[in-house]
Amino acid sequence: QVQLQQWGAGLLKPSETLSLTCAVYGRSFSDYYWSWIRQSPGKGLEWIGEINHSGSANYNPSLKSRVTISVDTSRNQLSLRLSSVTAADAALYYCASLYCGDGSCYFDSWGQGTLVTVSS
Amino acid sequence: SSELTQDPAVSVALGQTVRITCQGDSLREYYASWYQQKPGQAPVLVIYDKNKRPSGIPDRFSGSSSGNTASLTITGAQAEDEADYYCNSRGSGTYHRVFGGGTTLTVL
Repeated sequence: QVQLQQWGAGLLKPSETLSLTCAVYGRSFSDYYWSWIRQSPGKGLEWIGEINHSGSANYNPSLKSRVTISVDTSRNQLSLRLSSVTAADAALYYCASLYCGDGSCYFDSWGQGTLVTVSS
Repeated sequence: SSELTQDPAVSVALGQTVRITCQGDSLREYYASWYQQKPGQAPVLVIYDKNKRPSGIPDRFSGSSSGNTASLTITGAQAEDEADYYCNSRGSGTYHRVFGGGTTLTVL
């Protein structure tokens, strides 16, 4: 059974860099894309970006200048870095596995979420 | 603004049928997937490939698509179906993913 376990710093000051990691258990890392998605308090879901096992990444244009997603295939882990955070980046951050096949893509497993607060 | 549009809120009487819609140009080319999110929980995939259900999702959940609109239908809504529902697809003309704004379903 697939499990996505995520962790990272939950309290940041404005201008600092957000850093989260997600470990994948029970699933071949190379068969999926791996995504980060966030949810601001009381708001909807926002796709941040995704990466495949070879490191090819695709980002939300609204965040592209500040975000980096990377993979460590030896550890079955993906990471998120978001630089120069502001209060607008305070959210619950999820990692998720994205399966693409037959012309369709969907997020079939999600991490437990990591709450990130930005405060001076 | 989201490229996928959902009604913010929908209600249904217990045991009745409800349809939640998602509109966007990209849906003319790509299937939507649907996610259920209950308070304090991570989203859960309920429909993919237009009308397929993951293991463990009740068969009262179904999906359909026509033109620029994808729909999630719950036939015989139960109290435990009360949740937020989000659609997702590829953005129009891009390789990016987009979520709809979400629909809060209330079961009366």
